Amino acid sequence: SQQGEEDPQALSIQEGENATMNCSYKTSINNLQWYRQNSGRGLVHLILIRSNEREKHSGRLRVTLDTSKKSSSLLITASRAADTASYFCATDGKTDKLIFGTGTRLQVFP
Amino acid sequence: DAGITQSPRHKVTETGTPVTLRCHQTENHRYMYWYRQDPGHGLRLIHYSYGVKDTDKGEVSDGYSVSRSKTEDFLLTLESATSSQTSVYFCAISESAGVSGNTIYFGEGSWLTVV
Repeated sequence: SQQGEEDPQALSIQEGENATMNCSYKTSINNLQWYRQNSGRGLVHLILIRSNEREKHSGRLRVTLDTSKKSSSLLITASRAADTASYFCATDGKTDKLIFGTGTRLQVFP
Repeated sequence: DAGITQSPRHKVTETGTPVTLRCHQTENHRYMYWYRQDPGHGLRLIHYSYGVKDTDKGEVSDGYSVSRSKTEDFLLTLESATSSQTSVYFCAISESAGVSGNTIYFGEGSWLTVV
């Protein structure tokens, strides 16, 4: 299977703390994306990083990519209760489809 | 929000019956996808389409078929539903291929229970 894996599977933190989740994938890629899913809803795109980039920022989000290790990390700084959701990475495997990982469930307590 | 409508949103059906899920988009995007989401497995690609009448298999295509006769509609059919197909099904769309780095937009999901 081409499917990636997120680590940890679940993460619980207090508001104001930083949350870091990791993604490992199996094949070469052109792009890696991160998505967020609130309970009972569809996924929403957060950020994209290309294979020739090592780090990217968007607001409180910071994404890193290490293609030699086939891994990426998503850092959410100064977490809020509203950040409670599941987070997924998705890779293209240099194909015309996106394959998603298994996700990290983030719980942020007020 | 991207104009994606899935129907039905919830369905309970019996084992062995055929089921069709419909995805309708108003964005004129070329690519459409069907994913299923199950605990412990995340999202897995079932089938996708890269144009009218152009479809291809994903990771978990066995037991499913698809059709796309119009740009805006992508149908997922379970020919003979089984309990293992109980899942949440998500339709998604994108302007171009994954390798291009385009964002995928998701529908709100269809909850299917096979009893």
